[in-house]
Amino acid sequence: EIVLTQSPGTLSLSPGEGATLSCRASQSVSTGYFAWYQQKPGQAPRLLIYASSSRATGIPDRFSGSGSGTDFTLTITRLEPEDFAVYYCQQHGSSPITFGQGTRLDLK
Amino acid sequence: QVQLVESGGGVVQPGTSLRLSCAASGFTFSHYGLHWVRQAPGRGLEWVAVITYDGRNDYYADSVKGRFTVSRDNSNSTLFLQMNTLRGVDTAVYYCVKSYIGGYRGYFDLWGRGARVTVSS
Repeated sequence: EIVLTQSPGTLSLSPGEGATLSCRASQSVSTGYFAWYQQKPGQAPRLLIYASSSRATGIPDRFSGSGSGTDFTLTITRLEPEDFAVYYCQQHGSSPITFGQGTRLDLK
Repeated sequence: QVQLVESGGGVVQPGTSLRLSCAASGFTFSHYGLHWVRQAPGRGLEWVAVITYDGRNDYYADSVKGRFTVSRDNSNSTLFLQMNTLRGVDTAVYYCVKSYIGGYRGYFDLWGRGARVTVSS
């Protein structure tokens, strides 16, 4: 099983600032099988980034993904109030599909 | 409208069974793999099971293997999760999730709102 470890656990920032969220895999993950999701309280997760760096439909360009192998990053530039949520990374190329434990982005 | 709507959640006693359903609309159901993902209270996301577009193949997390069964009815655009011998650790919100491809390795491009399952005596 590929274990995904996200850091930091919690990130406290203010609107307008930039955020960098990391996800490290215990084994190499193909970039084609790596995704990021956002979950707001009381809501289902939604797809943000797929194939490591492609934005899903309707996702603003302040969200970007990068990385390869075992290290992946989600970058959010110019945080908006609606961006404060929990973010999960995922690998879906090896069974079982696994998620990171999440990074909570809190309003400072 | 493209959506997934889960139903069938509830409060059940340990050792009993429950079946969740997920009604799909707005897309060609029979073309896509479908997953169940759960989230225990205050916890992260855990993948549970997947079934391929044609229903021929299904795969499970070790935590539910042998107790849960995923199935689908392509003629009625409905996904199911039969959960047997339920345990307290199965308490969670269960999400029905669409894969972007027909197989089991796609990313998750559509999520339902979830069905809450509570296993408690």
